[in-house]
Amino acid sequence: DIQMTQSPYSLSASVGDKVTITCQASQDIKNYLNWYQQKPGKTPKLLIRAASKSEPGVPSRFSGSGSGTVFTFTITSLQPEDIAAYHCQQYENVPITFGQGTRLEIK
Amino acid sequence: EVQLVESGGVVVQPGGSLRLSCAASGFSFDDYSMHWVRQAPGRGLEWVSLIDWDSGNTYYADFVKGRFTISRDNNKNSLYLDMSSLRPEDTALYYCAKDKFYYGSDNYYDYAMDVWGQGTTVTVSS
Repeated sequence: DIQMTQSPYSLSASVGDKVTITCQASQDIKNYLNWYQQKPGKTPKLLIRAASKSEPGVPSRFSGSGSGTVFTFTITSLQPEDIAAYHCQQYENVPITFGQGTRLEIK
Repeated sequence: EVQLVESGGVVVQPGGSLRLSCAASGFSFDDYSMHWVRQAPGRGLEWVSLIDWDSGNTYYADFVKGRFTISRDNNKNSLYLDMSSLRPEDTALYYCAKDKFYYGSDNYYDYAMDVWGQGTTVTVSS
C-alpha cells in the first residue's frame, strides 16, 4: 500500500500568513493526488485534484503543486474561514490512502 | 440537489455485524463509482472501500478485507456496507461519498470524492 505522510500534524498561523502543508508519498504517484478541506464538524470538501487543479468555486488563495512523491498545498493569505483540517489523498493505486491530516488554527 | 444520506450506525459488541446504507438522490447514481470512508474521533480520514458503477469491481482497505462487503442497488439508488467481525478499532463515523467522474469519462479512474454524506456513527464496544 502507498503510505501518505503529511506534515505538519498541526499548524498555527496568523490571518494574512502564507501557509504550506506537505504530503509525501512512499512511492511515485505521478500527479494522482487530491486535497480536501474539512471544517470543524463538517464533511470533507474536495478543493484540488490531480495535484494542482482547483475545483470550481475554490478561492484562488488555495493552490497545489508537486509530482512524484512530494506535494505541497498552499494558502497564500490565510483567512479566518480557512480554519479546518486539510487531507491529502492518493489514487495512483488501490487501496486509496489519505494522509493523517493537518489541523490549521488561527493564532 | 445532490444528496447522500447514510443510516444504520449503532452501538454493537465486538465480533458483531452491521449493515450501513446510503441513499443517493439528485444525480444519476448508476453512472458513478461510490466510496465508503471512515473517521475515528479526532483522527484523519480512512478510505474503506470502493465499488464501480455496475458493481463489476470492488476494492477494500487491507484492514477491512474479508470482514466488510460493499454493494449497491442501482434500482434503489442505494449503497451498502456489510460489516462483520467488528472490532473496537472500527469505531468511527462512516461516510459514503460519490466519485467525481462518471463511467465513460476520460477521468473515470481519477478517484476523487466530490459529494459526501453527513455520516453514520458505528461504535464497537462491550
